[in-house]
Amino acid sequence: DGGITQSPKYLFRKEGQNVTLSCEQNLNHDAMYWYRQDPGQGLRLIYYSQIVNDFQKGDIAEGYSVSREKKESFPLTVTSAQKNPTAFYLCASSIWGDNEQFFGPGTRLTVL
Amino acid sequence: SQELEQSPQSLIVQEGKNLTINCTSSKTLYGLYWYKQKYGEGLIFLMMLQKGGEEKSHEKITAKLDEKKQQSSLHITASQPSHAGIYLCGADMARQLTFGSGTQLTVLP
Repeated sequence: DGGITQSPKYLFRKEGQNVTLSCEQNLNHDAMYWYRQDPGQGLRLIYYSQIVNDFQKGDIAEGYSVSREKKESFPLTVTSAQKNPTAFYLCASSIWGDNEQFFGPGTRLTVL
Repeated sequence: SQELEQSPQSLIVQEGKNLTINCTSSKTLYGLYWYKQKYGEGLIFLMMLQKGGEEKSHEKITAKLDEKKQQSSLHITASQPSHAGIYLCGADMARQLTFGSGTQLTVLP
């Protein structure tokens, strides 16, 4: 079955540690996206990638980094520079140029 | 930047009642997407609207894009507990989606 997966579902980290969230898709989509969701604020775009080895900053990229070494994978690293990292993180993918995005189940990150 | 406002922010209805959620843009909408989210889960695509006056339905959910293409409404007929969740609208902007803040729907049995 085609789809998009994120792991882990729940993640706990101590303040000051970097953490990497996984996102994998087997839909053969060129474009992938990372969003952050906070209560009452909808989704905010962190980074997106149109093609392998290329990615662009979204609205709230500070304190985050990404890589796109394979078409199927778009991991997000939450660095210690991110001031308020506790949130729900959603990964999505789409055919490039088409904004019908398919979402993963999300990862809830809690920084203690 | 384009902003999307959703109303109401939250809605509690009795099972069987009809309800409407609105999504209003400060600019013309060229593509409007409706998604549903269960708490703590990913978004499920519901419908996409592009043309002014367009209306689409799926089961008991109907979405419309007004003629001026600056507002969309999502209407649920005879609501059921399975309709509960967060409904988000997203607008097509420069090959990215801008999302509204969502409407939390609770359906009481």
